[in-house]
Amino acid sequence: AQSVTQLGSHVSVSEGALVLLRCNYSSSVPPYLFWYVQYPNQGLQLLLKYTSAATLVKGINGFEAEFKKSETSFHLTKPSAHMSDAAEYFCALTQGGSEKLVFGKGTKLTVNP
Amino acid sequence: SQTIHQWPATLVQPVGSPLSLECTVEGTSNPNLYWYRQAAGRGLQLLFYSVGIGQISSEVPQNLSASRPQDRQFILSSKKLLLSDSGFYLCAWSRVIQTDTQYFGPGTRLTVL
Repeated sequence: AQSVTQLGSHVSVSEGALVLLRCNYSSSVPPYLFWYVQYPNQGLQLLLKYTSAATLVKGINGFEAEFKKSETSFHLTKPSAHMSDAAEYFCALTQGGSEKLVFGKGTKLTVNP
Repeated sequence: SQTIHQWPATLVQPVGSPLSLECTVEGTSNPNLYWYRQAAGRGLQLLFYSVGIGQISSEVPQNLSASRPQDRQFILSSKKLLLSDSGFYLCAWSRVIQTDTQYFGPGTRLTVL
């Protein structure tokens, strides 16, 4: 069975510091992986996705994620946090032949001034 | 470009009352459509998805139902709301090509009193 684990339900960083949000997955076949961001009382917005091309994926707002098959990980990073990055972030995966996404439980990012 | 609409944006309903939430997609044909619920502290739960008119798959047994009367319209309903139905309801769409990105609507905040 496929699953997504996001380590840390809450992450707090200072403005200007590195952002690292962790995502590990379990999948019997090569997955497609996604990161979404959700601001309060809004829908989810796609940050980036991995579809078996380049292992380092660049997304919007300066975020990037690296697919590491050996570690079954797809961690999200940003070199310098902005106050506007405060939101909840969801990692998700899907497999070929499935119409459905499997989501992690989310990580709420707080950015301190 | 494609857009997805949900209404109403917020709703307060008494226990036992009926529910109808609507989702429509513009700018695409024959999309896959999805209903999710976010309850406090419980992440994203897939409720229903549809790959075509009149084709509904239910993921979780509950007192909710879904219908797809038109290609780009997806409706979530209940005959009698429960307190546990409170939450943030999100509609999403994707292209029929499997493993493609899901795009989310703005959501409906439902409070059952």
